[in-house]
Amino acid sequence: KAGVTQTPRYLIKTRGQQVTLSCSPISGHRSVSWYQQTPGQGLQFLFEYFSETQRNKGNFPGRFSGRQFSNSRSEMNVSTLELGDSALYLCASSLGEQIQGPPLHFGNGTRLTVT
Amino acid sequence: AQKVTQAQTEISVVEKEDVTLDCVYETRDTTYYLFWYKQPPSGELVFLIRRNSFDEQNEISGRYSWNFQKSTSSFNFTITASQVVDSAVYFCALSDNYGQNFVFGPGTRLSVLP
Repeated sequence: KAGVTQTPRYLIKTRGQQVTLSCSPISGHRSVSWYQQTPGQGLQFLFEYFSETQRNKGNFPGRFSGRQFSNSRSEMNVSTLELGDSALYLCASSLGEQIQGPPLHFGNGTRLTVT
Repeated sequence: AQKVTQAQTEISVVEKEDVTLDCVYETRDTTYYLFWYKQPPSGELVFLIRRNSFDEQNEISGRYSWNFQKSTSSFNFTITASQVVDSAVYFCALSDNYGQNFVFGPGTRLSVLP
């Protein structure tokens, strides 16, 4: 079974630009969540999508947005990039069923550098 | 609010030593899940264990063992006879009953020296 795939692996952008990151979950997984990892703040939850609907959202400004498609693939968009947005962005997928807490399966991440 | 604390920022041990990584959590939920993840240099977070709040049995998996104590809100992770390949950042995490609202601890960087 293929794992969670994130593209691109590395990205360099300039302040003020916008960026879109992509995540393909494990086949059959309907929940996709996004995390930002920085040395200062650690791993922080951005948002989670289930069946094309945003189900949970972390404490991030509106510049951070996402969406999920009918095939469960998800994209995350950051507009008006700031230097502080430089981070490793991790995507995780799970079955998403509210039965028991399924473990998250993470991708390798996209390392975004804002200059 | 949920919170996970990993007081040890970095630990260095020599190969074959045992090492324990501490995790203390805070939650108002009565039902919750605790996790440990390993992040090797490649960056991908690797799931190690999930524990339901009602299951306080300790668990052993090969060289890994976990000690869950609800009374002290701790979920500690021990690696026995550590190996160089165990070098990574280890994260403890907490989720609600539905496996949502994940909160990660700051991580502990473990270096196992040959």
